[in-house]
Amino acid sequence: DGGITQSPKYLFRKEGQNVTLSCEQNLNHDAMYWYRQDPGQGLRLIYYSQIVNDFQKGDIAEGYSVSREKKESFPLTVTSAQKNPTAFYLCASSILGQGSQPQHFGDGTRLSIL
Amino acid sequence: DAKTTQPNSMESNEEEPVHLPCNHSTISGTDYIHWYRQLPSQGPEYVIHGLTSNVNNRMASLAIAEDRKSSTLILHRATLRDAAVYYCTRGTSYGKLTFGQGTILTVHP
Repeated sequence: DGGITQSPKYLFRKEGQNVTLSCEQNLNHDAMYWYRQDPGQGLRLIYYSQIVNDFQKGDIAEGYSVSREKKESFPLTVTSAQKNPTAFYLCASSILGQGSQPQHFGDGTRLSIL
Repeated sequence: DAKTTQPNSMESNEEEPVHLPCNHSTISGTDYIHWYRQLPSQGPEYVIHGLTSNVNNRMASLAIAEDRKSSTLILHRATLRDAAVYYCTRGTSYGKLTFGQGTILTVHP
């Protein structure tokens, strides 16, 4: 079954620590996205990538970093510079990075601070 | 960055039609209108999208106003499994989705 796999489902970060959230897709999609969701709110775009080895900042990129070395993988690192990282993180992909394409989402990673 | 505007919540009875409205008065001519729904602690699920014409699929129908400043998601016969948060979003030329706060749909048996 094709889809998007995010891991881990729950993650805890200590002060001053960087953590990496995994996102893998086997849909053969070119475009991938990272969103952040705070309680009772909609999703906000952190980073997106339309093709391997290329990515762009979204609306709230500060304190985050990404890489796109393989088509199927788009890991997100939450750095110590992100002062309020507690949130639900969602990864998505689409066939092409265009507004005409629907996005497929993973089931998310919930990050909390110890 | 222009957002979409939706009612905070709506209620429906099972097996009745549901019309979920969305205002997007500042949408650009090339932005698509997408609808997603989300259950607690899960990722959003794609429902439907369109540009200018009304659209139908197995899940729902999307009615887009002629001036594209608003749209309505239509669930023809609500079921208990349709209870979720529904998001109306704009899909830009590079694929970015702009989410508002969504509408919490409650379906009564």
